[in-house]
Amino acid sequence: GEDVEQSLFLSVREGDSSVINCTYTDSSSTYLYWYKQEPGAGLQLLTYIFSNMDMKQDQRLTVLLNKKDKHLSLRIADTQTGDSAIYFCAAPSSNTGKLIFGQGTTLQVKP
Amino acid sequence: DGGITQSPKYLFRKEGQNVTLSCEQNLNHDAMYWYRQDPGQGLRLIYYSQIVNDFQKGDIAEGYSVSREKKESFPLTVTSAQKNPTAFYLCASSIEGTVYEQYFGPGTRLTVT
Repeated sequence: GEDVEQSLFLSVREGDSSVINCTYTDSSSTYLYWYKQEPGAGLQLLTYIFSNMDMKQDQRLTVLLNKKDKHLSLRIADTQTGDSAIYFCAAPSSNTGKLIFGQGTTLQVKP
Repeated sequence: DGGITQSPKYLFRKEGQNVTLSCEQNLNHDAMYWYRQDPGQGLRLIYYSQIVNDFQKGDIAEGYSVSREKKESFPLTVTSAQKNPTAFYLCASSIEGTVYEQYFGPGTRLTVT
């Protein structure tokens, strides 16, 4: 069945760039999403990319999409301690008709 | 301001008691969802509803029940049949269908002792 996979943990130094990766299996995915979850809170929609785009930039965030490899990445430039959170990617499944979430990547930012 | 509210933020119950978690949205969204999140785990779908008076089981529906009598409201009841009810529960909604972006509430942390 359709799946969305992410690495579980990433640690970076404050000021460095962070790159969080995600792979998905449904090639018919239209919009792909990134969410951020701070401790004890709900998920916040961070950004999204349409499948006919290769890249989308929004201030410090850059989303890259490689449709051939079904690979999505989120780059955070000049990472700050406030960026410490869990990041989820999500892709729609044409098979189940639902949005499928990855397991989440915990980003730890060291001062 | 439009959004999704969940109440209460923290809930404590004794084992064997049913408990109902509230979820309300004023976004005029058709679809609503309930997820469970355990420490270090991703999201697991409990129930979802695409329209009033209709809902479907998700991946882990056993021990839970829902109702959707109003478009704005989708309460979740955690019954005594749920073997491990202690978890963080998240409610979400989407404009229509179930493949579009979802907007989440702040969550309810349920502790059963």
